[in-house]
Amino acid sequence: DIQMTQSPSTLSASVGDRVSITCRASQSISRWLAWYQQKPGKAPKLLIYKASSLESGVPSRFSGSGSGTEFTLTISSLQPDDFATYYCQQYNRLGYTFGQGTKLEIK
Amino acid sequence: EVQLVESGGGLVQPGGSLRLSCAASGFTVSTNYMSWVRQAPGKGLEWVSIIYSGGDTYYTDSVTGRFTISRDNSKNTLYLQMNSLRADDTAVYYCARGDGAFDFWGQGTLLTVSS
Repeated sequence: DIQMTQSPSTLSASVGDRVSITCRASQSISRWLAWYQQKPGKAPKLLIYKASSLESGVPSRFSGSGSGTEFTLTISSLQPDDFATYYCQQYNRLGYTFGQGTKLEIK
Repeated sequence: EVQLVESGGGLVQPGGSLRLSCAASGFTVSTNYMSWVRQAPGKGLEWVSIIYSGGDTYYTDSVTGRFTISRDNSKNTLYLQMNSLRADDTAVYYCARGDGAFDFWGQGTLLTVSS
């Protein structure tokens, strides 16, 4: 299976900050990468697909970049609603795999 | 409006069986790729299984031979039949739509495997 590694595991930031989360794949996945946001007790929500395509209805402050083995999710200006856990997921090859998650906390 | 509603979770003894259901509305299950994804308590997400629109099915290694994904087109419902359950199958099970990136998810149903 392709291993997905996110960093950092926890991120403390303030409203208005610009933050980035990195996701690295153990082998090339081209651009077959998605990003999700999950809040406690809720299902994940798709934010970004194909590395940089913004899902319909997702605010434009979210953006994704990267290809191959290294990817980044950036939130340009944190809003109170953005404090949650974020997961990357590869879908280049069956045996889809997720990163371990990044918890975004209020500083 | 697209909606996915899971049901069927509960407490099962190790070695037991259970079938999860995922009732869909607002779209047709049989013309979409549908997956099950699980999340153990306090842990991350794990993809479990997928059924393609053409009917092909695939599983993560840890459930191969024990779990079966299927659908009932007349009921627009996805299923996950789980046999030989183990303690490490304990998780919230989500159904999700998508051919890789999952754009709609159900609310999840909790399976607890314990004696």
